[in-house]
Amino acid sequence: EDQVTQSPEALRLQEGESSSLNCSYTVSGLRGLFWYRQDPGKGPEFLFTLYSAGEEKEKERLKATLTKKESFLHITAPKPEDSATYLCAVQDYQFYFGTGTSLTVIP
Amino acid sequence: EPEVTQTPSHQVTQMGQEVILRCVPISNHLYFYWYRQILGQKVEFLVSFYNNEISEKSEIFDDQFSVERPDGSNFTLKIRSTKLEDSAMYFCASSMDRVDTGELFFGEGSRLTVL
Repeated sequence: EDQVTQSPEALRLQEGESSSLNCSYTVSGLRGLFWYRQDPGKGPEFLFTLYSAGEEKEKERLKATLTKKESFLHITAPKPEDSATYLCAVQDYQFYFGTGTSLTVIP
Repeated sequence: EPEVTQTPSHQVTQMGQEVILRCVPISNHLYFYWYRQILGQKVEFLVSFYNNEISEKSEIFDDQFSVERPDGSNFTLKIRSTKLEDSAMYFCASSMDRVDTGELFFGEGSRLTVL
């Protein structure tokens, strides 16, 4: 059973068109939920850590939120440089990554 | 800005050969990790290392794998006898704190191709 499921698998947005990425998880003893950005051929780059339901974190055009079973990464007025794969990861006793959402922002 | 560096960036090897992947974590970090990503698949945890010993490992990290911190700066992953299914991108990561309290910094990866 997958511990982390991300949707959609791929998302194409026009520049300025806001949207949200979803990460749902099944681990029972969540110690942390993490969002990363991964550019092609590169290692994941840390964005946010969320620890408890109701928590929110913001960074530039990105805002991450957490509920008891899922997290959303909201992208407001995206730019082409936001194009990347966004990975969600959760930790109970181990660290589990999702397969990611590939975001393309078209100028 | 401090970064995690990995060498080689790409290694091609024959099945059954030994491979060593090298990493230089960020200098004041205390926790070190190896992850792998098979093409088109998830990033998978292999092993974590703290205070000169393995702290956690996954089912993937079997007897063919070993890690070492031979000196104060390098952190290595050895695959003793490579198999075709070991072909993947291997990422080293480090953190100041345990991963549940802090962020992981990843290197750019070493691509391993086993023929």
